[in-house]
Amino acid sequence: EAQVTQNPRYLITVTGKKLTVTCSQNMNHEYMSWYRQDPGLGLRQIYYSMNVEVTDKGDVPEGYKVSRKEKRNFPLILESPSPNQTSLYFCASRGQGLGTGELFFGEGSRLTVL
Amino acid sequence: GDSVTQMEGPVTLSEEAFLTINCTYTATGYPSLFWYVQYPGEGLQLLLKATKADDKGSNKGFEATYRKETTSFHLEKGSVQVSDSAVYFCALSGPLTQGGSEKLVFGKGTKLTVNP
Repeated sequence: EAQVTQNPRYLITVTGKKLTVTCSQNMNHEYMSWYRQDPGLGLRQIYYSMNVEVTDKGDVPEGYKVSRKEKRNFPLILESPSPNQTSLYFCASRGQGLGTGELFFGEGSRLTVL
Repeated sequence: GDSVTQMEGPVTLSEEAFLTINCTYTATGYPSLFWYVQYPGEGLQLLLKATKADDKGSNKGFEATYRKETTSFHLEKGSVQVSDSAVYFCALSGPLTQGGSEKLVFGKGTKLTVNP
């Protein structure tokens, strides 16, 4: 089954404790992206990657890092989480040949930073 | 920059009622337009799309027409069901830049609740 898998789905952590949210897709997609969803603000792009070893900032990259060492994986790293990073995070992917914007989303990772 | 404005929710309807969720956009050039749906506890799914002016996207009884003259892409359904309860996002995607960068701009979402 074609899917984008995120882990963990739920996480409660404390300020300053490094964490990684993993994202993996099994569709051989070149493009991957991270979004955060906040009430009243909708979805905002954090980082995206056009292909292996190619990453770029989205609209709200501060406090986040990403890497793209393999095509299928695109982890989101919070080196020193802060409470304002409490949010619902989505990973998404898109392959070549599909129209721009036809993204496949994971089920989301709800992060709470205390 | 490019932006999408959706009608604010929440929207509450009775089953079989007519649905309209308004969406207008601001963009340079000729963006593609999309509606995504997010069911409770799930990620977003593409519902329908339109890539040029006057195109009509349709899926699962939902329709939206790309109106360039009014810069709008309103979502409609003639008879909603309880299973349509979800959050609906309008989005646009402009042409790829020379560097190949890609951006999908979302509206803030409209929550729809359909009561039996």
